[in-house]
Amino acid sequence: DTGVSQDPRHKITKRGQNVTFRCDPISEHNRLYWYRQTLGQGPEFLTYFQNEAQLEKSRLLSDRFSAERPKGSFSTLEIQRTEQGDSAMYLCASSLNTPTSKLFFGSGTQLSVL
Amino acid sequence: AQSVTQLGSHVSVSEGALVLLRCNYSSSVPPYLFWYVQYPNQGLQLLLKYTSAATLVKGINGFEAEFKKSETSFHLTKPSAHMSDAAEYFCAVSPLGGKLIFGQGTELSVKP
Repeated sequence: DTGVSQDPRHKITKRGQNVTFRCDPISEHNRLYWYRQTLGQGPEFLTYFQNEAQLEKSRLLSDRFSAERPKGSFSTLEIQRTEQGDSAMYLCASSLNTPTSKLFFGSGTQLSVL
Repeated sequence: AQSVTQLGSHVSVSEGALVLLRCNYSSSVPPYLFWYVQYPNQGLQLLLKYTSAATLVKGINGFEAEFKKSETSFHLTKPSAHMSDAAEYFCAVSPLGGKLIFGQGTELSVKP
């Protein structure tokens, strides 16, 4: 199966620490998205890439968050100086580069900030 | 700004009964609309999508949705609920294609 992979599945960290998550999209997909989901809420858009270019970033996204997709394949999402409010499920999705292409989601990385 | 409102955070039906999950959208441009399902400990899966073709869209697992521009709605239905339909359902809008804007979700419970 060559679906969207996310690593790690779970991350527990202490407040103030930095964390980094990885996403490996479906190989032929050139769009990659990051979302955040908290309990009882729908996924909230964070940012997306087309190939290696970051085309949009949510205005709600703190400067402590940064994402990269250096070679247009895998992507990383880093959170610096984590806060308890950062605790959430971080979802990655990928798609082809057409307006109606469906997004394929990974299983997510669950972050707990103590 | 584009947004989605799902009416009812929890819906409970009996097995065999009609499933109706409500979704209203706001979009300044003709939208693409989607329904996704999320089973416990699994990723989001696409149920169906509307992309300006037929207004009645059929999806997987017997679900369908009807796009009603006059009502700005895209409600999800299934004639007969099955126990395996219990999950969280999300309506989403994509204003010009690309990123999705999700509603807050509706948890569907199916009673035997």
